[in-house]
Amino acid sequence: EIVLTQSPVTLSLSPGERATLSCRASQTVSSNYLAWYQQKVGQTPRLLIYRASSRAAGIPDRFSGSGSGTDFTLTISRLEPEDFAVYYCQQYGLSPGTFGQGTKVDI
Amino acid sequence: QVQLQLSASRLVKPSQSLSLTCAVSGGSVSSGGYSWSWIRQPPGSGLEWIGNIYQTGVTSYNPSLMSRVTISVDRSKNQFSLNLDSVTAADTAVYYCARENGHNTYFDYWAQGILVTVSS
Repeated sequence: EIVLTQSPVTLSLSPGERATLSCRASQTVSSNYLAWYQQKVGQTPRLLIYRASSRAAGIPDRFSGSGSGTDFTLTISRLEPEDFAVYYCQQYGLSPGTFGQGTKVDI
Repeated sequence: QVQLQLSASRLVKPSQSLSLTCAVSGGSVSSGGYSWSWIRQPPGSGLEWIGNIYQTGVTSYNPSLMSRVTISVDRSKNQFSLNLDSVTAADTAVYYCARENGHNTYFDYWAQGILVTVSS
């Protein structure tokens, strides 16, 4: 199975700053089938990005995804207070789909 | 708007079976192009995909759990279910059901998770 390694584990930033989260795969993710989710404490994960760079419905344009092959990035251009959460990447190019261990974005 | 509602026994004894049911509203488990999945998250840990069932009834399971997992669908009730046999404390987790946009893809709708504890 494909192992996803997210970095950093924790990202300490302030509202208004730019956040850059990394997700590295142990092998090439087929067709860039990579998604990003946001999970707030006690809540369900929320789909942000699919196929590496496509925003899900209703997701603000301050969230953007990029990358290909084995290296992917989620960028939050200007952090809003509601963006402080844990972010997970997920690959679905090879079954079983796997998740990264998460990056916590906190103040 | 698709909504998923999860129901389960919250406490299961070791060696017994864990059973969860996910009721779907605002959509049909028989709709073309979607799969219905189970995912879990141990306390303080990340997410693990358990398996799914496609609209045709074809199932896929995570190899790490395959020997103990059964996923089924009840089209008359518009719901799908997970059965996990021979549970141990390691199966304690928040369990989620979700819809996949396709087969073996990403998850676009999730139910509110339920913490299932395995303990005697």
